[in-house]
Amino acid sequence: NAGVTQTPKFQVLKTGQSMTLQCAQDMNHNSMYWYRQDPGMGLRLIYYSASEGTTDKGEVPNGYNVSRLNKREFSLRLESAAPSQTSVYFCASSRRPTGQETQYFGPGTRLLVL
Amino acid sequence: AQTVTQSQPEMSVQEAETVTLSCTYDTSESDYYLFWYKQPPSRQMILVIRQEAYKQQNATENRFSVNFQKAAKSFSLKISDSQLGDAAMYFCAYRSAITNFGNEKLTFGTGTRLTIIP
Repeated sequence: NAGVTQTPKFQVLKTGQSMTLQCAQDMNHNSMYWYRQDPGMGLRLIYYSASEGTTDKGEVPNGYNVSRLNKREFSLRLESAAPSQTSVYFCASSRRPTGQETQYFGPGTRLLVL
Repeated sequence: AQTVTQSQPEMSVQEAETVTLSCTYDTSESDYYLFWYKQPPSRQMILVIRQEAYKQQNATENRFSVNFQKAAKSFSLKISDSQLGDAAMYFCAYRSAITNFGNEKLTFGTGTRLTIIP
């Protein structure tokens, strides 16, 4: 099992460009999440999908959109990238959205917006 | 809103020694879950250990154990017989047991960078 995979690993964008970060899991999990990690801070939730067909905003959703393409895949889109979106992005999944379920993380995507 | 505080930005320990990483949290909820995640230089977030708040017994996983003090809202991680591979950032995280809008997230502390001295 690959677990949670993310592409790309690293990306450089110019301000105003758009891009989509891809995430896939092969653990048959129902719930998926997107976090961002900034220096000196813990991870913060951007969007999540409790189950296939649903998505909801997290703590820092502005400037992002998501698509739960199917049970396996959950993508994060930046429509018009800004330097403030320079960060490391982590996708995670869990069997269910309930509190006791462990979230498993992907390896991260490092994004630099110039 | 819940908050998680890790007051030690950096810690170091001699190989084979024991080290304790501190974490405190603030919540008005009585039922919740606490986690320690490890982030090595590869940046992969790896679950180290988890604790259910309703359980009084402290969780242990091999060389890793926690000291969970619910009344004090403290959740420290003890690493015994430290190994070079334990070098990483360690994040404490909180998650509510109530699953409704806004509670699904993990709330993370700012992390503690652990260095192992050979």
